[in-house]
Amino acid sequence: EIVLTQSPVTLSLSPGERATLSCRASQSIYSYLAWYQQKPGQAPRLLISDASNRATGIPARFSGSQSGTDFTLTISSLEPEDFAVYYCQQRSTWPLTFGGGTKVEIK
Amino acid sequence: QPQLKESGPGLVKPSETLSLTCTVSGGSIRTDNNFWGWIRQPPGKGLEWIGSLYYSGTTYYNPSLRSRVSISGDTSKNQFSLKLSSATAADTAVYYCAWDPGDYWFASWGQGTLVTVSS
Repeated sequence: EIVLTQSPVTLSLSPGERATLSCRASQSIYSYLAWYQQKPGQAPRLLISDASNRATGIPARFSGSQSGTDFTLTISSLEPEDFAVYYCQQRSTWPLTFGGGTKVEIK
Repeated sequence: QPQLKESGPGLVKPSETLSLTCTVSGGSIRTDNNFWGWIRQPPGKGLEWIGSLYYSGTTYYNPSLRSRVSISGDTSKNQFSLKLSSATAADTAVYYCAWDPGDYWFASWGQGTLVTVSS
């Protein structure tokens, strides 16, 4: 099973600041990684697929990148609605697995 | 995108079978290459993939749950279902059903339903 390790667990930032979230895979998953956003009481929402492709309707301030087994989600300038928990997910190998999540909170 | 909605008992007794149904609208569970998945989230914790149903009827399960889980589809009702046997308190979670258009990402989710396992 592929393990995804997200860091940091919590990120405290102010609106307008840049957020950088990390997801490290335990082995190569090529570019088969997605990012989801989850707000309290809501289902997750797909943001990024295949490491860097924004899903339909996702603002351009969200971007994804990759370096080997290290993946990054960047929010260029935090909007109030961006404070949430973010999860990564891999689809390289069954079983599909998720990272433990990063909470982006208001500082 | 399809819309999905979970339904089923919110309380299950230990050792009994947890059963949930996902009703799909705006799409068909028979659409080529689509997957229909179940994901759960214990209170205050992260996401765990339970399993997925391929449009052809093939199923894929998380090995950690494989001995207890079954996912099936009812094309006449455009629904798919989850059964998890021998439930314990560790199975208490919000259960989501979700749609994967065929690229293994969950592009549309139900609202989720909380299932508590308790006597």
